[in-house]
Amino acid sequence: RKEVEQDPGPFNVPEGATVAFNCTYSNSASQSFFWYRQDCRKEPKLLMSVYSSGNEDGRFTAQLNRASQYISLLIRDSKLSDSATYLCGQGSGNTGKLIFGQGTTLQVKP
Amino acid sequence: SQTIHQWPATLVQPVGSPLSLECTVEGTSNPNLYWYRQAAGRGLQLLFYSVGIGQISSEVPQNLSASRPQDRQFILSSKKLLLSDSGFYLCAWNMEDDGYTFGSGTRLTVV
Repeated sequence: RKEVEQDPGPFNVPEGATVAFNCTYSNSASQSFFWYRQDCRKEPKLLMSVYSSGNEDGRFTAQLNRASQYISLLIRDSKLSDSATYLCGQGSGNTGKLIFGQGTTLQVKP
Repeated sequence: SQTIHQWPATLVQPVGSPLSLECTVEGTSNPNLYWYRQAAGRGLQLLFYSVGIGQISSEVPQNLSASRPQDRQFILSSKKLLLSDSGFYLCAWNMEDDGYTFGSGTRLTVV
């Protein structure tokens, strides 16, 4: 079993839709989780850190469910510019290294 | 502010040739440094990480090596490239358990 797993998609949604991605992880001791956005042929960029209490940044909401060992990303009112690949990352010990999922591709259509 | 530089952006190399990719970080001290590879349409694979000068941990056995000759410099090397070494190489840094900042990446094609 992979340490971090994501549904690769693609998720094809119309503008204005709400879409949610999940990411499951196997290291229950991990204390840090992140969502990254990667545009085609570009480096990943940090979108949000994921806190135990959940956190929101505009149209984006991230949540952590430790009991079921998954993190989620909710995007409301999707924009064309949200089209990208979304990667989840799990901290893996005191070295600071992150293990990433395969990424979920989102295509927002007009 | 902190910045990370990675070069070259694109590289085409013949099979059997050597490789050297460089990554430098500015504006911070003693960062954790990482090398990842992303094959076409695939996720990020951690290759090496370093928590200090001269300290290198390898995640997967392969045709590559890494070195950290200075605090903010991380180098990825190979003596002889294979076709399977093609991919998008990304350097990243963080402090402790923070999220990463990635460099802009090097797209390597081995021909």
